[in-house]
Parts: sequence; C-alpha cells; structure tokens
Amino acid sequence: EDQVTQSPEALRLQEGESSSLNCSYTVSGLRGLFWYRQDPGKGPEFLFTLYSAGEEKEKERLKATLTKKESFLHITAPKPEDSATYLCAVPPNSGYSTLTFGKGTMLLVSP
Amino acid sequence: EAGVTQSPTHLIKTRGQQVTLRCSPISGHTSVYWYQQALGLGLQFLLWYDEGEERNRGNFPPRFSGRQFPNYSSELNVNALELEDSALYLCASSLTVRQGADIQYFGAGTRLSVL
Repeated sequence: EDQVTQSPEALRLQEGESSSLNCSYTVSGLRGLFWYRQDPGKGPEFLFTLYSAGEEKEKERLKATLTKKESFLHITAPKPEDSATYLCAVPPNSGYSTLTFGKGTMLLVSP
Repeated sequence: EAGVTQSPTHLIKTRGQQVTLRCSPISGHTSVYWYQQALGLGLQFLLWYDEGEERNRGNFPPRFSGRQFPNYSSELNVNALELEDSALYLCASSLTVRQGADIQYFGAGTRLSVL
C-alpha cells in the first residue's frame, strides 16, 4: 500500500526563521508529487507538482525539492501569512486510483 | 475563471437524516473527486467520477454515494447520517490526462455538522 508520511506534524517558527518540511513516500514508479497549502476551514490550494528526482520549483518564499524517496518544502524567511497546514500527496504508480495525501504539517509563524 | 464551487457552505443535520452536497468543477475538467476531512484528521478519499462514471471509491460504507451529471457537476449523498459523519467535505476537479495523477483543484468545502 502506498504510504505518504509528513514530518514534523507541527512546526512553530519566528518570522524570518527559515526551515524545511519533509514528505517521504514509498510508492514505486513515482508519477508526481504534489504540494498543497490549506488554511483552516478551507480547501487545499495547489502549490507545486514535482515529477523527477532533482527537480525544484519555487514560489515566493517556498521552494520544493524532490529526491527518489522524499520531498522537502523549504520556507525561507517566513512571514505570519505563511501559517497554514502544508499537505503533500502522491498518485498511485498505475491504474484508476487517486492521490494519497499525507496528514500534513501545521506551520505557525509568529511575528 | 471560476474555480471549483461547492454548495451549501454549511449544513446542520440530525442523526438518521440524509444530505446532498453539490459540486461544480472548473470549466473543462471532467473528473470530480470527493474527500472527507474530519477534525484533526487528514483528507480521506471518498469517490472519483470521470465522464459520468465512478472510477474509484474509498473505504467508506455504501450509505456514501454520488453521481456525476452530463455537465460534469456532481452530487455526494450521505444517507442515515451518523455523528462521526461531521466533517468538512471537499470536492476537487481535474483534467483527466494522467489517470489519477492529474493536479486536483479544490473547492472551499461544505461543513457538515451532525447532531
């Protein structure tokens, strides 16, 4: 069974204190890894898709990277508005199945 | 361009009642997905519809059902509501190119409270 594990479960940072979130996966034949941001009581917002090891994508203070077994979401000089739960998800390696989501990392950035 | 829209935004029901949630996908998207997110838990996959057909179903009892209409909008029906059905129900839509590996775009969700 495909597994997606995110760590840490929660992370508290001071404004400007950079850090990284981790997403490890066990699916073989990765067909992509997705990062989402979810604010409380709202639907997840798509951030990035990564398709191959070594690939990197950036958006404002966020940078996502991918290796063969895990992905990192690096947050540089975060601001309070970056506070949210960050989810990663992977699709199955084949067939009509859909994304498996991790449980997320809840990020709180204090001013 | 309009995103995924869901209605209603909030619902309060009592145990044993039935509820219908609605979802309109992004224009051009043919796949619709339903997820349940209970408080403090992750996204649990419920159902996936594409071109009017059910493509996959998560580990939920048969009282959770749905359908997709010719215009690709979708309904999620939950019968015989139980207290543990209280959750945020999320709908997502996507193109259908990568068979389950397409980017899913989410609506704002319907918050269901069962009393």
